[in-house]
Amino acid sequence: EAGVTQFPSHSVIEKGQTVTLRCDPISGHDNLYWYRRVMGKEIKFLLHFVKESKQDESGMPNNRFLAERTGGTYSTLKVQPAELEDSGVYFCASSGGGLAGEQYFGPGTRLTVT
Amino acid sequence: GENVEQHPSTLSVQEGDSAVIKCTYSDSASNYFPWYKQELGKGPQLIIDIRSNVGEKKDQRIAVTLNKTAKHFSLHITETQPEDSAVYFCAASKGTYKYIFGTGTRLKVLA
Repeated sequence: EAGVTQFPSHSVIEKGQTVTLRCDPISGHDNLYWYRRVMGKEIKFLLHFVKESKQDESGMPNNRFLAERTGGTYSTLKVQPAELEDSGVYFCASSGGGLAGEQYFGPGTRLTVT
Repeated sequence: GENVEQHPSTLSVQEGDSAVIKCTYSDSASNYFPWYKQELGKGPQLIIDIRSNVGEKKDQRIAVTLNKTAKHFSLHITETQPEDSAVYFCAASKGTYKYIFGTGTRLKVLA
């Protein structure tokens, strides 16, 4: 069974540019999450999809971040325009149904904004 | 707001010794506590978890304890091996699928 995959693994962009991160969850997982870890800090929740619907987006920093999950399969996270403080590692995770089911994490996308 | 404090931030132990990482959570409604291990270049991987109706859980060399009254939970690794070297994260959840993570502990096992 393939795990959670993320693309790209690294991205370096200039302040003001746009970047789109992609996440492919484990097949059949309805729940998809985005998290972010800024250097040396905690892994912070951004948002949670159930199928194609946003269940909880309380962790999204501001309106420069847009997450989508068309068709309830893969998800994208767009940052536009990027700022220096957006640098960090963006993780995607997915889980099946059930009570707080195990979240399986992808390898992350390291975003550097210069 | 909800937060999880994790200590220590770095931990070095000799191979064969035990390692203990401690976490404290703020939200008394939290009922699920997973521990993740992140190796270099990989995403976090679940190694053990515990629910609030259990005080202790063990899986081979790894154990987790939970003290609901004090809102503390800890990870214990016995007979450490070089392959245990990684960053470990604790997390707390209210069963709402949103994990609140600690800041991580970098464990180094010295051969």
